[in-house]
Amino acid sequence: NAGVTQTPKFQVLKTGQSMTLQCAQDMNHNSMYWYRQDPGMGLRLIYYSASEGTTDKGEVPNGYNVSRLNKREFSLRLESAAPSQTSVYFCASRGDSSYGYTFGSGTRLTVV
Amino acid sequence: DAKTTQPPSMDCAEGRAANLPCNHSTISGNEYVYWYRQIHSQGPQYIIHGLKNNETNEMASLIITEDRKSSTLILPHATLRDTAVYYCIVRSNNAGNMLTFGGGTRLMVKP
Repeated sequence: NAGVTQTPKFQVLKTGQSMTLQCAQDMNHNSMYWYRQDPGMGLRLIYYSASEGTTDKGEVPNGYNVSRLNKREFSLRLESAAPSQTSVYFCASRGDSSYGYTFGSGTRLTVV
Repeated sequence: DAKTTQPPSMDCAEGRAANLPCNHSTISGNEYVYWYRQIHSQGPQYIIHGLKNNETNEMASLIITEDRKSSTLILPHATLRDTAVYYCIVRSNNAGNMLTFGGGTRLMVKP
């Protein structure tokens, strides 16, 4: 079972460049989430999608956009990367009858 | 969601029980206590959750006080692989309620 798969695992961007972080889950979960984690800090919610076709802002949405492409996939886009967006990004999913979130292994993004 | 308070760090000897405390004095009646852990920058891993009864699974036990204002996660026989940051999170299971991570407790299991 793959669970939650994130790509890429590592990325270096120059300030102003754009990129899309990909996330896919194979557990038929309705809800999906994007978090960021800065060094020594807990995770902060960027955006979430409670079901296919819906997205909502979390705690720190500025500078990001998301797309729930289908039930499996939830992508995070940085339109114009800034050094403040250097972080580790985690995608997670949760089923309606599931209490626990399943997290991916993360994307380590550095913006120079 | 209610706020939680955890010690920033703890040590535990390998093979001994690790008891990780969490205070959540403002917890509401419909809020559950969740525990996750994060091993060395991997994605967080769900451990256990409970409402008011004590819970046990293959990973850990969760003891919730009768007034529900605090709880303890117990790893009965800690191993070096249990070294991680442990997060105590309080949330309801209403649709739209998110996991909100605080600072957690950094548990160091020592030989």
